Order: sequence, then structure tokens, then C-alpha cells
Amino acid sequence: GAGVSQTPSNKVTEKGKYVELRCDPISGHTALYWYRQSLGQGPEFLIYFQGTGAADDSGLPNDRFFAVRPEGSVSTLKIQRTERGDSAVYLCASSFSGPNTGELFFGEGSRLTVL
Amino acid sequence: AQKVTQAQTEISVVEKEDVTLDCVYETRDTTYYLFWYKQPPSGELVFLIRRNSFDEQNEISGRYSWNFQKSTSSFNFTITASQVVDSAVYFCALSFSGYSTLTFGKGTMLLVSP
Repeated sequence: GAGVSQTPSNKVTEKGKYVELRCDPISGHTALYWYRQSLGQGPEFLIYFQGTGAADDSGLPNDRFFAVRPEGSVSTLKIQRTERGDSAVYLCASSFSGPNTGELFFGEGSRLTVL
Repeated sequence: AQKVTQAQTEISVVEKEDVTLDCVYETRDTTYYLFWYKQPPSGELVFLIRRNSFDEQNEISGRYSWNFQKSTSSFNFTITASQVVDSAVYFCALSFSGYSTLTFGKGTMLLVSP
């Protein structure tokens, strides 16, 4: 499809395990964002890529979280040693340019549950 | 620091009623951008509008209208003649010029019943 695609849509894992979440942005979008949304809350910023580089990773909560975008298209969010507090919906978005110059296109999210 | 407050957690209306969703923001910057997004049950946030801080003109798009008032730091969203398909969570968000993140409010869940 033409929209932002995220896989898996649901992931259940055990505490301490490693998890990868994938985002395939809209073709031609140079900017890619990861947000995290906990139940009853608004999305919280994690990281922003412009091309292949992380332009702003100030939202990553700690060093267990890491994201890459090696070819400037698909991005993977990696979470090591998962904790129950990491349970949330992880949203990916993309745009033609920066966030305040145009709209962000969001995927449907990957729901992560850490038991 | 920037902050967005959506004081209404949940609003229930009957179809065809008008409804206003409130958004109050805090910022020290003079240049900033305000947004509204809709999140239907599918979970995908859908962009509705972007406004920059220098444009206080109200906007109307079909049944949707937005009232931006810098004097009260508010950017309220009104749906006229609501429909069941309007049921969703609506988020107000704020960003600064040249800054990479959107700061979202906690959202208002709108339930429109037939």
C-alpha cells in the first residue's frame, strides 16, 4: 500500500528479551519518526531520522533503546532487555520534510506487550 | 518547556450535535506550530490541520472549524453536526520552528452515538 507500514502489528514477549520493530515509510519521505503511546496518553517522541542519520534521539528513554535507518528508507527500532514498562504502542511516522512544515503520516503502530 | 493540555478526557454527544474540543498550550517561543490529529480505532493518527503562530485566522473545512486565539493560548476544534464516523480520539499537538518533535496532549475521546 501507499501508507506507512509497521510490523509486527502485535508483539508479546517476556521480560528481558530483545525486540525489533520495523517501519516502512512512504516512498520518497526523507523524514522518519518513532513515537511511543501508552494507554490513555498522547504519543511521546522517541527519535527522528533525516535520511540515514538520527537528527534527534533525545526522546529515547535509555540505552536499551536504539534505532537505525541504514539506507534512508526502512527503519528498525530495537529494544534490549525489555521491561514491563516498555509495554506500549510504538508508532512510526514519515514526512517529506521536518515536522513543523507539513503533516506527518502515521502507521497503525506495533503493540508491544512485555510479560 | 512546551506543554499541551486537553482538559476534556471524554465527550459523548448524539449525532447532529455540535461539539467543541478544547486545547490550551504553553510555550515561550514566538514561532511555533499547532496541529490537530484524529486517531480512529484502527490506531493510525490522521492529520487534520496545521497552524503557525503568526496566522490567527480561523479556518473552516466542511464540518470542521478551528479557533486559534493567542491571547488565551488556545486552539479549539469544533465539529458541526457530528456524525458517528467522527468517533475517535483527537489530539492537539505543538512544535517549535526548527525543532524536530511534536508535543501531544493526552487526547480527547469523542463518542458520537446515533
